Amino acid sequence: GENVEQHPSTLSVQEGDSAVIKCTYSDSASNYFPWYKQELGKRPQLIIDIRSNVGEKKDQRIAVTLNKTAKHFSLHITETQPEDSAVYFCAASKGSGGYNKLIFGAGTRLAVHP
Amino acid sequence: ETGVTQTPRHLVMGMTNKKSLKCEQHLGHNAMYWYKQSAKKPLELMFVYSLEERVENNSVPSRFSPECPNSSHLFLHLHTLQPEDSALYLCASSQFSGANTGELFFGEGSRLTVL
Repeated sequence: GENVEQHPSTLSVQEGDSAVIKCTYSDSASNYFPWYKQELGKRPQLIIDIRSNVGEKKDQRIAVTLNKTAKHFSLHITETQPEDSAVYFCAASKGSGGYNKLIFGAGTRLAVHP
Repeated sequence: ETGVTQTPRHLVMGMTNKKSLKCEQHLGHNAMYWYKQSAKKPLELMFVYSLEERVENNSVPSRFSPECPNSSHLFLHLHTLQPEDSALYLCASSQFSGANTGELFFGEGSRLTVL
C-alpha cells in the first residue's frame, strides 16, 4: 500500500527565516498531495494542496512543489512567524471512488522562535 | 467551526467497558472517515464510509466497530479495548465529486484513555 515518509520530524527556525519540509511517497498512482497544519490541541486543517498535473503552487508565504518522477513533494514557508509554530502533516492519495483515502506522513513539529 | 462535531471530547474507560464515539457533520458531505492519532506516529486511517457504505477497513481490530446510519452521522463503538488503544480519534468528512479536491474537514477529536 501507499507509504509516505516525512522529514524532518522537528524543525526549529528563527522568525523571518524560511522552513522546508520534505515528503516522499511510494505509490506512483497518487495524484493529490495536501498539507495539513495542526496547532496544539486543535484539529488538523488544510493549508495548501497540489495535484499531480501541477509542479508548483503558491499561496502568500506558503508554497508546495511536486516532483512526480522522484515522488517527492515539499512545503516551503517563507518569512516564518511565531504563529506558524505547529505540527505539519503531508499526505498523498489517489482520490478516486468518491472518497479521498489520505495516507499521512508522521508529521513535522515546527517551532518558530521570536 | 468547521462543521464536524465530535463527542465526547474526552473519554476514560476500563478494558471491559463498552462506549461509543460520535461524529456529526453539517457540511452535506458524502464521505466520512475515522483516523487514529497516536503520539509520534502518522495519522492512521481506520475506516471510510462513502455514501453510507463502508469502503475501507484498514485491518482494524474487531474491538473497534464503526456505524454510519446516515450521511451526517458516524459512530465508533468500542469494546474490550487495550491500553495501547489510548489515542486521539479524529473524525473527518469530505465531498469528492468532479473538480472538488475532496479536502478532509476534521473534527476536534475524542481523546480516549484506556485504563
